[in-house]
Amino acid sequence: KQEVTQIPAALSVPEGENLVLNCSFTDSAIYNLQWFRQDPGKGLTSLLLIQSSQREQTSGRLNASLDKSSGRSTLYIAASQPGDSATYLCAGLSYSGAGSYQLTFGKGTKLSVIP
Amino acid sequence: EAQVTQNPRYLITVTGKKLTVTCSQNMNHEYMSWYRQDPGLGLRQIYYSMNVEVTDKGDVPEGYKVSRKEKRNFPLILESPSPNQTSLYFCASQAAAGVSEQYFGPGTRLTVT
Repeated sequence: KQEVTQIPAALSVPEGENLVLNCSFTDSAIYNLQWFRQDPGKGLTSLLLIQSSQREQTSGRLNASLDKSSGRSTLYIAASQPGDSATYLCAGLSYSGAGSYQLTFGKGTKLSVIP
Repeated sequence: EAQVTQNPRYLITVTGKKLTVTCSQNMNHEYMSWYRQDPGLGLRQIYYSMNVEVTDKGDVPEGYKVSRKEKRNFPLILESPSPNQTSLYFCASQAAAGVSEQYFGPGTRLTVT
């Protein structure tokens, strides 16, 4: 059964810093890995999706990487801004048998960017 | 605008009173699912549906029912809600399982007293 871990649970950085959020997973037979952003009391917004055949994806100041062999993914945020403050979740999609897939979430990293 | 909608957004109810949370998507997605989010436990999948009339249990299905009679709708039914079902619920949809990103609804905050 897939398990997804995000460390640290919380991170505080000054505005302008580059930062890396970490995500690890136990089942290397992962189909894809998705990074989400969640603002307090709100739903999840998809940031980046990396298919198992890819090693990274980029969108603006965000870059996500995937290393299946080590069971790790990272989300790099360049030149952080206060508006980046949110909880970031990673989720791995795995095959769960009988033609079914399951998305397993980490518990998230709460990011605070201090002006 | 492509979106997943949920109703109601907030609900306070009493133990044992049946309720339904609706979910609808306008993207013609095949795959839909329900999650609950609890502090310290993260997001856990309740039920999912690969397509019309095809549903299956996720990690925490006890106390919930779903149906998928048409592609766009995937309601979550609590036949006899209990206080331990107080949670934040999210519906999500995906074009097809395994190949595309998931889109989430805005969430339904349920309190069962």
